[in-house]
Amino acid sequence: DAMVIQNPRYQVTQFGKPVTLSCSQTLNHNVMYWYQQKSSQAPKLLFHYYDKDFNNEADTPDNFQSRRPNTSFCFLDIRSPGLGDAAMYLCATSGRVGEQFFGPGTRLTVL
Amino acid sequence: AQSVTQLGSHVSVSEGALVLLRCNYSSSVPPYLFWYVQYPNQGLQLLLKYTTGATLVKGINGFEAEFKKSETSFHLTKPSAHMSDAAEYFCAVSDLNNNDMRFGAGTRLTVKP
Repeated sequence: DAMVIQNPRYQVTQFGKPVTLSCSQTLNHNVMYWYQQKSSQAPKLLFHYYDKDFNNEADTPDNFQSRRPNTSFCFLDIRSPGLGDAAMYLCATSGRVGEQFFGPGTRLTVL
Repeated sequence: AQSVTQLGSHVSVSEGALVLLRCNYSSSVPPYLFWYVQYPNQGLQLLLKYTTGATLVKGINGFEAEFKKSETSFHLTKPSAHMSDAAEYFCAVSDLNNNDMRFGAGTRLTVKP
């Protein structure tokens, strides 16, 4: 089945230690998104790629970076995680305007 | 700018009772509207969507929603709640002109036996 895959599902890192989360898709969608979701809150868009064009939300901290080496893969890099960055990180894709398909998420714990 | 308001952060119903989750939107252009469900420690799963055409939309798991332009609403209903419906539900809006989707704050549905 076509899908959005996120690895790992659970990630533990130390305060200040860089961490990378990964997302891949078999849907061949041209748009990929990264969301941050904290407990009992709505997903918050961090950035998205339209093909190779990177679009950063204005309030996304500089600590968060992203890479999209090809259509299938997208990475979220957190350069110096703080305790406030502990959250669920959701990757999503879209093949046309509107509907988004979500991966299962990666829950990040910062010690 | 588009936005979504979900009325009620927490809704509790008895098993077999009607489920009604409320969503109102704001959009300056014709909206695309969505309901997603999220189970603990999982991603969001699309329940149903409205883009154009018939205003009563049927989705998975027996849910449906009606787009009412005059009321700027897109409420989610299910005639008879099941224990497995207990989850977080998010209403979302986007439109033809952009790739962004704006989510409501979510409604946690609890189903009592």
